[in-house]
Amino acid sequence: EVQLVESGGGFAQPGGSLRLSCAASGFPFDDYAMHWVRQAPGKGLEWVARISWNGRSIGYADSVKGRFTISRDSAEQSLFLEMNSLRPEDTALYFCARDAIVYGTSVGYFDYWGQGALVTVSS
Amino acid sequence: DIQMTQSPSTLSASVGDRVTITCRASQSISTWLAWYQQKPGKAPKLLIQKVSTLENGVSSRFSGSGSGTEFTLTISSLQPDDFATYYCQQYSKYSETFGQGTKVEIK
Repeated sequence: EVQLVESGGGFAQPGGSLRLSCAASGFPFDDYAMHWVRQAPGKGLEWVARISWNGRSIGYADSVKGRFTISRDSAEQSLFLEMNSLRPEDTALYFCARDAIVYGTSVGYFDYWGQGALVTVSS
Repeated sequence: DIQMTQSPSTLSASVGDRVTITCRASQSISTWLAWYQQKPGKAPKLLIQKVSTLENGVSSRFSGSGSGTEFTLTISSLQPDDFATYYCQQYSKYSETFGQGTKVEIK
């Protein structure tokens, strides 16, 4: 069974930092691109960041570029999101999500999601 | 960046109604469109990918259509379990963007 379990959420002051983790199991983690998607309270879904299966291709939403860093660790079978220079507008539930593979290629839609980690940025 | 616009934002309907949600892209995305269902406090669930391909286990009362810039999600006969928020998502050109969501509520 595919499982994605986020951790590391919590409270931070503006300008502060937090690191989210997503532990993956039940599938060959090294074969899949992974993403972070967030949802501010009462709002819609916003794609945040993407990392390819081998970590060599990375992309970010403009809203987090230069402040957030996505990474992955094969040995730990985990995905990470390092969040620096946090702003109140970064307050959200952060989901990790698996990129679907079709005919051996990552396609860009999300077939499995974790339950999310809540990040609150406030003074 | 490709923008996705859903309509309506909220839809009030009754059990048994046929419901249609529209999603428009700011430029052509061919058929690179997915639909998700989200219930309060839960992660989104993938319903449909590549415009019209239902995921395993998804009821056949859900269907999708469209190409280019205009797409629709149709629920043929709304069931109590279908009251939720629905999001479209484009995945063309190594970019991913969601629509703002459509909440389907009980009339």
